[in-house]
Amino acid sequence: NAGVTQTPKFHILKTGQSMTLQCAQDMNHGYMSWYRQDPGMGLRLIYYSAAAGTTDKEVPNGYNVSRLNTEDFPLRLVSAAPSQTSVYLCASSYSQGDYQPQHFGDGTRLSIL
Amino acid sequence: GQNIDQPTEMTATEGAIVQINCTYQTSGFNGLFWYQQHAGEAPTFLSYNVLDGLEEKGRFSSFLSRSKGYSYLLLKELQMKDSASYLCAVMDSNYQLIWGAGTKLIIKP
Repeated sequence: NAGVTQTPKFHILKTGQSMTLQCAQDMNHGYMSWYRQDPGMGLRLIYYSAAAGTTDKEVPNGYNVSRLNTEDFPLRLVSAAPSQTSVYLCASSYSQGDYQPQHFGDGTRLSIL
Repeated sequence: GQNIDQPTEMTATEGAIVQINCTYQTSGFNGLFWYQQHAGEAPTFLSYNVLDGLEEKGRFSSFLSRSKGYSYLLLKELQMKDSASYLCAVMDSNYQLIWGAGTKLIIKP
């Protein structure tokens, strides 16, 4: 079972460049989300999608997402900034609600110079 | 504001018992999760508490007191493979997860 797959695992960008981080899940989960993980801080929610065709955001600037189907939830950095250097984690769960453990990918380590 | 507090780092000995505490202040409460994360890997689900009391699952147990805004994760018979970060997360009234910064647990032989 693949679970949640993220690509790439590592990447270096220059300030101002754009990039799409890929996330795919094969568990037919409706709810998907993107977090960033920074040292000394809790996971911070960037975007989430309750179902294919819907998205909602927590952090409005610098990121964009699409949810064209159930499986894929790519995250796009529109114009990368050094403050976006982080580990990006994608997660999925059956739905948004109590007792719905999230399944995470291994993350994408992104450095922006 | 919403806040989750956990110790930054703890050290324990192989074979011993360790308790990792988590205190929280959130807008609403729909359950508390514990996750384990090994370095460079995905967080994996350990436990979920929504009612007061102790939930036991093998070597791991999790306790919740909603009136005190407090939870702990108890790890027994520690093994070297338990060296990891342990993340506490609370689901708020909007069913969004609020995450603590995690506790890095170091196990020594």
